[in-house]
Amino acid sequence: EAGVTQFPSHSVIEKGQTVTLRCDPISGHDNLYWYRRVMGKEIKFLLHFVKESKQDESGMPNNRFLAERTGGTYSTLKVQPAELEDSGVYFCASSPIRRGGQDEQFFGPGTRLTVL
Amino acid sequence: GQNIDQPTEMTATEGAIVQINCTYQTSGFNGLFWYQQHAGEAPTFLSYNVLDGLEEKGRFSSFLSRSKGYSYLLLKELQMKDSASYLCAVILGNIKAAGNKLTFGGGTRVLVKP
Repeated sequence: EAGVTQFPSHSVIEKGQTVTLRCDPISGHDNLYWYRRVMGKEIKFLLHFVKESKQDESGMPNNRFLAERTGGTYSTLKVQPAELEDSGVYFCASSPIRRGGQDEQFFGPGTRLTVL
Repeated sequence: GQNIDQPTEMTATEGAIVQINCTYQTSGFNGLFWYQQHAGEAPTFLSYNVLDGLEEKGRFSSFLSRSKGYSYLLLKELQMKDSASYLCAVILGNIKAAGNKLTFGGGTRVLVKP
């Protein structure tokens, strides 16, 4: 079974440009999460989809970040316009829906974004 | 705010035992995960504790004390391939929800020396 995949693995852009990150979750996983790790800091939550609906977007830094999950399959995270402080590693994770108890989240390898 | 603390770095010798501590001060608690992350790779699941006590899985064990806000990950018979970062993460939300975000500590980088 394929794991969570993310594209691209690396992206280097200039301040002010736009970048779109893509995440393909494990097939059948309705939960999809975006996280970010900036240099020297802990991994921080950005937002959570259940199927195509945004369940929790409390971690989104500002309105330059737009996440979508049309059709409830893959997700994209667009940063427009990018700023220097957006540099970091963006992780995507997915898990099945389970009522009661907690399922592990399966992480992708991340997209390393560098804004110059 | 939520506070999850773990040591930044630990060094141990191949074949030895290392214990990585994680303390948390959070509003609400519904379980604690440990993940392993090799450089440049995806974090991978190691363990989940929601009740007090010790969970053992081969060379790895994880312990939780909810009253003390404390967990540890124990790595036995260390191998070179165990050199990685170990991430402690807490679930805070409603356990009956469809899914819940993870709140992470800063991670502990473990270096295993021959």
